[in-house]
Amino acid sequence: EAQVTQNPRYLITVTGKKLTVTCSQNMNHEYMSWYRQDPGLGLRQIYYSMNVEVTDKGDVPEGYKVSRKEKRNFPLILESPSPNQTSLYFCASSSRRPLGVGEQYFGPGTRLTVT
Amino acid sequence: DQQVKQNSPSLSVQEGRISILNCDYTNSMFDYFLWYKKYPAEGPTFLISISSIKDKNEDGRFTVFLNKSAKHLSLHIVPSQPGDSAVYFCAASVSPPFSGNTGKLIFGQGTTLQVKP
Repeated sequence: EAQVTQNPRYLITVTGKKLTVTCSQNMNHEYMSWYRQDPGLGLRQIYYSMNVEVTDKGDVPEGYKVSRKEKRNFPLILESPSPNQTSLYFCASSSRRPLGVGEQYFGPGTRLTVT
Repeated sequence: DQQVKQNSPSLSVQEGRISILNCDYTNSMFDYFLWYKKYPAEGPTFLISISSIKDKNEDGRFTVFLNKSAKHLSLHIVPSQPGDSAVYFCAASVSPPFSGNTGKLIFGQGTTLQVKP
């Protein structure tokens, strides 16, 4: 089954304790991206990756890091989480289309709470 | 600056009737538009898309209309079913060469649709 998986689904942590949210896709997609969803703001892009070893900042990259060492995996790293990073996080992947990135497939989400 | 706006936070319709969800955008460079549906505790799922070279795209019960001059798009669901009850997001992007091919989707705030049996 084609899917994007994220782990963990729920996480409660304390300020400053480094954490990693994993994302994996089995569709051989080149493009992967991280979004956060906050009330009244829709989904905002944090980082994206056009292919292995190619990553770049989205709209809200502060406080986050990513890596893309393998095509299928795109972990999101919070080196020193703060309460304003409490949010619902989604990973997405997509194949390329002739004029850009195709429809993005989303993971189930990770609910992060930072106290 | 909200480049994509869904001004109706919620919509309630009767089963069998038409649901019309609206979306406005401000960036005239957007040339690719998508609708996603989201159920609680799940990620958004792609519904339908439209390129700016078209003004209509249809897929089964779902039709998206694009009015470029008004910078407005809408999603029509006919007939509406209780299983369509969800949050609907519209999204827009800019294709290369203008965007540098970031693949970034700009999302609206979402509209919660309730279809009553």
